[in-house]
Amino acid sequence: KAGVTQTPRYLIKTRGQQVTLSCSPISGHRSVSWYQQTPGQGLQFLFEYFSETQRNKGNFPGRFSGRQFSNSRSEMNVSTLELGDSALYLCASSTGQGLSSDTQYFGPGTRLTVL
Amino acid sequence: AQSVTQLDSQVPVFEEAPVELRCNYSSSVSVYLFWYVQYPNQGLQLLLKYLSGSTLVKGINGFEAEFNKSQTSFHLRKPSVHISDTAEYFCAVRPFQAGTALIFGKGTTLSVSS
Repeated sequence: KAGVTQTPRYLIKTRGQQVTLSCSPISGHRSVSWYQQTPGQGLQFLFEYFSETQRNKGNFPGRFSGRQFSNSRSEMNVSTLELGDSALYLCASSTGQGLSSDTQYFGPGTRLTVL
Repeated sequence: AQSVTQLDSQVPVFEEAPVELRCNYSSSVSVYLFWYVQYPNQGLQLLLKYLSGSTLVKGINGFEAEFNKSQTSFHLRKPSVHISDTAEYFCAVRPFQAGTALIFGKGTTLSVSS
């Protein structure tokens, strides 16, 4: 089975721009979560989608949004980029039941640099 | 609320030596426990997880961890490390309730030298 794929792998944007990141989960997985990883704050939860519904959201401003499509692919969008948004954005998928005990399988991440 | 503390930010060891990476957690509800590894320029890979039952959990690559409920700890161990084990290791917890988030510690960088 193919793993979680994220596109693009690297992205450079300037302040004020907006960006869309994409995540394709493992086939058959219905839950997709997004995390932001920075050297200072570590790994922080952004949001989780299950069957196209947002089930949980982390403590991030409204500039961060996401969605999930009927094929379980997910996108996250960041509007009005700030320098502090520079980070590795990780997507993780887990199996169809969406249980907390499920293993989350992570993609390689998208490295976003905001100049 | 939940929090995870990884007590060592960096652990340098020599090849073939044993290693222990320490993790303590705090939670007002029951949680599942996980250890993930991140190699340079890669995503996270699950090493092992504790759901219930035996408190000693064996994972991939020769790693194991022991859940201690009274001390709210979940330390990761390997009896003999290899150069290839050099990576960052993350301890995480997740409440039983579906739809809750994985809460990660800040990570421990394991550096194995010859």
